[in-house]
Amino acid sequence: GAGVSQSPRYKVTKRGQDVALRCDPISGHVSLYWYRQALGQGPEFLTYFNYEAQQDKSGLPNDRFSAERPEGSISTLTIQRTEQRDSAMYRCASSPAPVARGRLGVSSNEKLFFGSGTQLSVL
Amino acid sequence: SQQGEEDPQALSIQEGENATMNCSYKTSINNLQWYRQNSGRGLVHLILIRSNEREKHSGRLRVTLDTSKKSSSLLITASRAADTASYFCASISNQAGTALIFGKGTTLSVSS
Repeated sequence: GAGVSQSPRYKVTKRGQDVALRCDPISGHVSLYWYRQALGQGPEFLTYFNYEAQQDKSGLPNDRFSAERPEGSISTLTIQRTEQRDSAMYRCASSPAPVARGRLGVSSNEKLFFGSGTQLSVL
Repeated sequence: SQQGEEDPQALSIQEGENATMNCSYKTSINNLQWYRQNSGRGLVHLILIRSNEREKHSGRLRVTLDTSKKSSSLLITASRAADTASYFCASISNQAGTALIFGKGTTLSVSS
């Protein structure tokens, strides 16, 4: 597609339910990021992938959160047993270049292209 | 965690005036980027400045980077009402890992 696509656009769920948020990155983009953004705040890093490999998941709040990108393209962020505090805008972004950390530090970091996000509301 | 902190948190100016936003970060970086977000919509990349650069221009945007002070500034010249948005700096720390970390943002309001 022309841009990063996220679905659903809005998700309302009851506390305790599991939700799966989908991200379809720009075709050919290697890196894929997940962020969470509360109203009036900056995006909070959750996790990212280079190809199908999850490079960093240190931003995931707890073990109820998981993400996968099995074929190096579409990614799914899953939240199990949702809680009201999980309510936020979940944003996905992709980048054409892989982010790599070499002996001399970070070797590549190109700009990110963001999707429109999924607004999650947990009642 | 957030690598960058923008200042001021909010800025209100008149059309035609210049707007300056500042960003401070904590650790050494590979590069620093600025993004814009209109009314809770998606984030759009504005400009990227690498750690070995001191200044960069793109249209009405001018970004400076001072690695000794761990700070960057974004200047928008001759502002327009359409520049009303939230502006975020983002960077990757060479020490903490390779994820792009965003600051809390500056909300700019440009009135006509």
